[in-house]
Amino acid sequence: EVQLVQSGAEVKKPGESLKISCKASGYSFTSYWIGWVRQMPGEGLEWMGSIYPGDSDTRYSPSFQGQVTISADKSINTAYLQWRSLQASNTAIYYCVRPAVGTGFDYWGQGSLVTVSS
Amino acid sequence: DIQLTQSPSFLSASVGDRVTITCRASRAIGSYLAWYQQKPGKAPNLLIYAASTLQNGVPSRFSGSGSGTEFTLTISSLQPEDFATYYCQRLNDYLFTFGQGTKLEMK
Repeated sequence: EVQLVQSGAEVKKPGESLKISCKASGYSFTSYWIGWVRQMPGEGLEWMGSIYPGDSDTRYSPSFQGQVTISADKSINTAYLQWRSLQASNTAIYYCVRPAVGTGFDYWGQGSLVTVSS
Repeated sequence: DIQLTQSPSFLSASVGDRVTITCRASRAIGSYLAWYQQKPGKAPNLLIYAASTLQNGVPSRFSGSGSGTEFTLTISSLQPEDFATYYCQRLNDYLFTFGQGTKLEMK
């Protein structure tokens, strides 16, 4: 059974750094892209970017390029989403997904709530 | 960048109704479109991909159609568990843009 299990909720102050994780199981981690979707409070879904753990090829939405870093550790089947300096506008739920061109996001993590507040 | 516009943004309907949601793309995307359902507090769930292919386990009352720039999601007979927010998404390249969402509420 494919599962994407994300790290728990985080409360951070503006300016702090953060790295959240998504552990994949039930499939070959290096054979599929894995990515992140943001959902701000009361808002819609925004695709942020994806990484192919097999060769670390990474693609970002233009809206998120330079704002976050997506990485993966194939030794532990885990993908990461990282911020160097958080802002209040980063407050959102972040979903880990397994994307595929043509067939969509068939598996989703449970979501990680990130709250940034002074 | 290709934009997706859903209509309506809000829809009130009753159990048993037939409901249609439209998604329009700013440029043609072939059949590279997916539909998702999201219930409050939950992750979205893939309903349809390739514009009309039902994901495994999705009830047959859901159907999708269209190609190019205009797509529709139809629920043939609304059930109580169908009241949720629905999103379309383009799948023709790695940018995976979503529509703004349609909230389906009980009348």
